[in-house]
Amino acid sequence: KAGVTQTPRYLIKTRGQQVTLSCSPISGHRSVSWYQQTPGQGLQFLFEYFSETQRNKGNFPGRFSGRQFSNSRSEMNVSTLELGDSALYLCASTPAPESYEQYFGPGTRLTVT
Amino acid sequence: AQSVAQPEDQVNVAEGNPLTVKCTYSVSGNPYLFWYVQYPNRGLQFLLKYITGDNLVKGSYGFEAEFNKSQTSFHLKKPSALVSDSALYFCAVSPPGNTGKLIFGQGTTLQVKP
Repeated sequence: KAGVTQTPRYLIKTRGQQVTLSCSPISGHRSVSWYQQTPGQGLQFLFEYFSETQRNKGNFPGRFSGRQFSNSRSEMNVSTLELGDSALYLCASTPAPESYEQYFGPGTRLTVT
Repeated sequence: AQSVAQPEDQVNVAEGNPLTVKCTYSVSGNPYLFWYVQYPNRGLQFLLKYITGDNLVKGSYGFEAEFNKSQTSFHLKKPSALVSDSALYFCAVSPPGNTGKLIFGQGTTLQVKP
């Protein structure tokens, strides 16, 4: 099976802009989780989607949002970008509904200037 | 508050020697526990998990981990380290009923020297 894919792999945006990141889970996996990884804060949970519904949400401002489509692909959006949003954004999928191991994609490296 | 601690920022070990990467957690109930490894500019790669059952779990690439409920620890071990094991290791916990969410430790860099 193909692994989790994320596009784009690298992105440079300007402060104030918005960005959309895409994630395609492993075939058959219906749950998608998103994480932000930074040197200072480490890996932090953003949100999780299952069957097009957000089931869980981390402690991030409303500028961070996401959605999931009927084919389980997911997108996350960050509006009004700030310098502190520069990070590696990781997507992970799991068969669900149980929270067992998650399989991660390679990530999208977002740089905000 | 739910948390995971990896007390060592870096662990250095000689090739062929046993290695241990430490992890303790603070989560109510019976959590699921995981170890992941991250190579430079790559995503996280699943190594092993503890859900229930035998306290010693075996995973990929010869790694194993020991669950100790009384000490709330889940240390990662390998009997004989390889230079290629050098990477960043993360311990993670999935709290009961908290769907899709992993709480990660800060990570431990493992350096295996020839």
